[in-house]
Amino acid sequence: GAVVSQHPSRVICKSGTSVKIECRSLDFQATTMFWYRQFPKQSLMLMATSNEGSKATYEQGVEKDKFLINHASLTLSTLTVTSAHPEDSSFYICSAQGQLNYGYTFGSGTRLTVV
Amino acid sequence: RKEVEQDPGPFNVPEGATVAFNCTYSNSASQSFFWYRQDCRKEPKLLMSVYSSGNEDGRFTAQLNRASQYISLLIRDSKLSDSATYLCVVSLNQGGKLIFGQGTELSVKP
Repeated sequence: GAVVSQHPSRVICKSGTSVKIECRSLDFQATTMFWYRQFPKQSLMLMATSNEGSKATYEQGVEKDKFLINHASLTLSTLTVTSAHPEDSSFYICSAQGQLNYGYTFGSGTRLTVV
Repeated sequence: RKEVEQDPGPFNVPEGATVAFNCTYSNSASQSFFWYRQDCRKEPKLLMSVYSSGNEDGRFTAQLNRASQYISLLIRDSKLSDSATYLCVVSLNQGGKLIFGQGTELSVKP
């Protein structure tokens, strides 16, 4: 079945630094990538939607200059958290959708801790 | 009002019990409906899609009432391994972005 590899699974960084999270579709072409954030005891909140080769569409309240999304190829999308602050500490997860079906394949998530 | 609302949890039940989760959604134009399961610190996994006619998969039965904008999940003969958070999810269109409820935590005890 479809697999999305997400890395890193866990990262601790200092305030003010940037962190890049990668999601790769291993056996299909991901035309659309959804990026979510989940705070403890809360649900997944969509941050942005990206289509290969296009600029990402951000949800209301999500700063596009802080959360940089790149989807330059059909197998790779990245989310960069710039100038991270402790309040950015969260579980970030991607979900890829292929060209030929409407199924959603989730990555395994990245737990970010900003100290 | 939240777009997708679920029963508050947690639900603590003994093995073998039947447990029901309820969910309501606010946008009547929603087209696709799902139940996902999420284990602690893991990604959500699709449990089942929900169809207007209702559908069953083993011990799991899902129902959809479009008129009431209500979705349910029934788990029969619950197992210890059913312990997880159950997420009610809707989408406005097939293949569109998923909107997640806050989840209901289930704990099945021996």
